[in-house]
Amino acid sequence: KQEVTQIPAALSVPEGENLVLNCSFTDSAIYNLQWFRQDPGKGLTSLLLIQSSQREQTSGRLNASLDKSSGRSTLYIAASQPGDSATYLCAVNSGAGSYQLTFGKGTKLSVIP
Amino acid sequence: ETGVTQTPRHLVMGMTNKKSLKCEQHLGHNAMYWYKQSAKKPLELMFVYNFKEQTENNSVPSRFSPECPNSSHLFLHLHTLQPEDSALYLCASSLEGRGGAGELFFGEGSRLTVL
Repeated sequence: KQEVTQIPAALSVPEGENLVLNCSFTDSAIYNLQWFRQDPGKGLTSLLLIQSSQREQTSGRLNASLDKSSGRSTLYIAASQPGDSATYLCAVNSGAGSYQLTFGKGTKLSVIP
Repeated sequence: ETGVTQTPRHLVMGMTNKKSLKCEQHLGHNAMYWYKQSAKKPLELMFVYNFKEQTENNSVPSRFSPECPNSSHLFLHLHTLQPEDSALYLCASSLEGRGGAGELFFGEGSRLTVL
């Protein structure tokens, strides 16, 4: 059974700092991995999707990497801003005909002005 | 409208009530999902529909009854719920991938409180 872990559970950084959020998963046989952002009381916003054959994806100040062999993904946020404050969730789809995503519990990020 | 729309955004119901949650997607996707988000727990998949056929049911109690009349609409019918069913219920949609789920797009969620 796939398990996804995100450490730390919470992170506080000063504005302008570059930061890395971590995601690890137990079964390396994945179809894709997706990073989401969730603001309090809201739904999830898709940030980046990495297919199993890819090593990284970039969107603006965000860069996500994937290392299947070690069961790890990182989300790099450059030049953080207070508007980046949110909970960041990592989710893995194992494929094989299943549409189920296994989610981590998320990392709550606070960017201090 | 664009994206994934959920109604109502908030719902309070008694344990003997019957209510429904509605989800509509305007993205041309073929797969729709119901997820449950409880405090301090990871999101849990409840149901998946692909081309309006249910493809996954994660051992969800029968007091939750999904309905997918077409690829754009998804309902979750609720009856005789328990207080522990109080949670944020999230709808999502995606394009079917060749071997799994494509990129998921979520609605804003329906916050359910069962008294």
